[in-house]
Amino acid sequence: IVMTQSPDTLSVSPGERATLSCRASQSISTNLAWYQQKPGQAPRLLIYGASTRATGFPARFSGSGSGTEFTLTISSLQSEDFAVYYCQQYNDWLYTFGQGTKLEIK
Amino acid sequence: EVQLLESGGVLIQPRGSLRLSCAASGFTFSSYAMNWVRQAPGKGLEWVSAISGGSTASYYADSVKGRFTISRDNSKNTLYLQMNSLGAEDTAVYHCARGWIAAAGGGFFEHWGQGTLVTVSS
Repeated sequence: IVMTQSPDTLSVSPGERATLSCRASQSISTNLAWYQQKPGQAPRLLIYGASTRATGFPARFSGSGSGTEFTLTISSLQSEDFAVYYCQQYNDWLYTFGQGTKLEIK
Repeated sequence: EVQLLESGGVLIQPRGSLRLSCAASGFTFSSYAMNWVRQAPGKGLEWVSAISGGSTASYYADSVKGRFTISRDNSKNTLYLQMNSLGAEDTAVYHCARGWIAAAGGGFFEHWGQGTLVTVSS
């Protein structure tokens, strides 16, 4: 299953809303996770089951979607949110990640 | 506290072999599937391999199938990755990651190690 994220880079001002997309090449139900990765750090689980927020992340992060189209929304960007975000499908036993979206400060 | 500590990464020549280890603590190791995920310098994440909690099932990305072997020793709380026939394309930081459940690869990855760097170069 091929996972495609868009855009590759997203420039947003602090306080604004960011919307990141992830598309699967075939239906994966809601078997999708999102990760946040900052430079020099391991990835952190952000969302699983397409919409369940992981421990430690505030409510401004939300996930939605099912089937082949998924969205990660950050409602009001804070400085600590600028990072690279990856989606990952686990519907198939051969897991795959998207190529990542870099969220940068505008 | 869950901790995953990888080791074994080195500079190695093409066509060489290497074994990575991941020491786990802070949870019941046998109750969770474990995975290896790699990241080439400046690139994205690539899932490499997974093994179920009881070692009854293992899975590999096409890019490493036939060259890499995943295993675990639940008595030592340790995950391994045997890497053979290494090429430049295998240069990456290798992270171990704990799955959510014991079955298959465990789904998604709640806990990650910091990784160990493997560099394949002559």
